[in-house]
Amino acid sequence: AQSVSQHNHHVILSEAASLELGCNYSYGGTVNLFWYVQYPGQHLQLLLKYFSGDPLVKGIKGFEAEFIKSKFSFNLRKPSVQWSDTAEYFCAVNGNSGNTPLVFGKGTRLSVIA
Amino acid sequence: DAGITQSPRHKVTETGTPVTLRCHQTENHRYMYWYRQDPGHGLRLIHYSYGVKDTDKGEVSDGYSVSRSKTEDFLLTLESATSSQTSVYFCAIDRGNNNGYTFGSGTRLTVV
Repeated sequence: AQSVSQHNHHVILSEAASLELGCNYSYGGTVNLFWYVQYPGQHLQLLLKYFSGDPLVKGIKGFEAEFIKSKFSFNLRKPSVQWSDTAEYFCAVNGNSGNTPLVFGKGTRLSVIA
Repeated sequence: DAGITQSPRHKVTETGTPVTLRCHQTENHRYMYWYRQDPGHGLRLIHYSYGVKDTDKGEVSDGYSVSRSKTEDFLLTLESATSSQTSVYFCAIDRGNNNGYTFGSGTRLTVV
């Protein structure tokens, strides 16, 4: 069965600090990987996705993620966070073939302070 | 947002009563999903549908049933609500072409 592990439950950063959120997955096959963001009181929105090709993917709002197949990881990064990045971040995975449902991690809450 | 709406947005119900949540899409996508979101658990899949009258169970399907009698509507029913089903429920559609899911705005359900 697929599973996703997000190591950090709550991260607190000052504005302009660099961000890296960990995500590891367990799946016996080729995968699609996603990061979603949920701003307070809102629904989930897609930040970025990986399907194939360049393992470094860039998303909206200056976020990027790197797929490292040997480590089963898909960590999210941003060089300089802003107060408006305060949100909850979810990593998700599904199989590359067919339409298997997305499996989500438990989320990481990011608080950015001035 | 993006052709997917959920109703109601908020509901308070009593233990033991049936409750139906509705997800409506306007874009004719084949795949639809119901997730619940709880603190410390992230999103967990309840049921999903891959076409009219074609549904399957997810990770936390006990106590829930679904129906999809037409492409645009995916209904989630709590047959006899319990306090453990207090949660925020999100519907999602798969827009295909590796575009990921689009989520509805959610339904906050409180069972008292």
